[in-house]
Amino acid sequence: SSELTQDPAVSVALGQTVRITCQGDSLRSYYASWYQQKPGQAPVLVIYGKNNRPSGIPDRFSGSSSGNTASLTITGAQAEDEADYYCNSRDSSGNHGVFGGGTKLTVL
Amino acid sequence: EVQLVESGGGLVQPGGSLRLSCAASGFTFSSYAMHWVRQAPGKGLEYVSAISSNGGSTYYANSVKGRFTISRDNSKNTLYLQMGSLRAEDMAVYYCARVSGNYDIGYYFDYWGQGTLVTVSS
Repeated sequence: SSELTQDPAVSVALGQTVRITCQGDSLRSYYASWYQQKPGQAPVLVIYGKNNRPSGIPDRFSGSSSGNTASLTITGAQAEDEADYYCNSRDSSGNHGVFGGGTKLTVL
Repeated sequence: EVQLVESGGGLVQPGGSLRLSCAASGFTFSSYAMHWVRQAPGKGLEYVSAISSNGGSTYYANSVKGRFTISRDNSKNTLYLQMGSLRAEDMAVYYCARVSGNYDIGYYFDYWGQGTLVTVSS
């Protein structure tokens, strides 16, 4: 099992706001990064650091963190946001990285 | 434009070997640490191996330690993964990914290759 825990599946109505969470003790000390992966495609970085978006990522994607939980929020979800989302951060030792198990987002 | 292009995947029998390559372009390859990340069919992302920018430091997941070797040739802008004693559970799409960031904002994978499929089957 992963040291970063994500809900396996989340759904959101088109245009509504959804929060995808990632829990782990290491998140008290380290930032998470978030990746979007659509079927048959490589992962794409959507959030890193405190709340940074790479160029080309829509501003409806945002990140936050509190205690042992990091969150990816999509404000006004679009059909094209339907994908798997993975968080990534350090493991409990802080020496190596680890991925969360992933969350499948369905946009209804 | 940053590009990472993996190659070398294919069908291999259990116990066999395979070498993956990742050709990098569009950035100063020798300045970045690199990772191999894999994804088994229908499963999540898993760290496989990592190498520092100058190749002096490496990391292996416990699941591949002693069987896989990561290396890089900065003169050729290429990352490698030599895989040996392959098992059915090594079957996956293997991605190379560039690491960016720092201690303050954290480390993250800002560019990924398209992946190369490794199939382990008799």
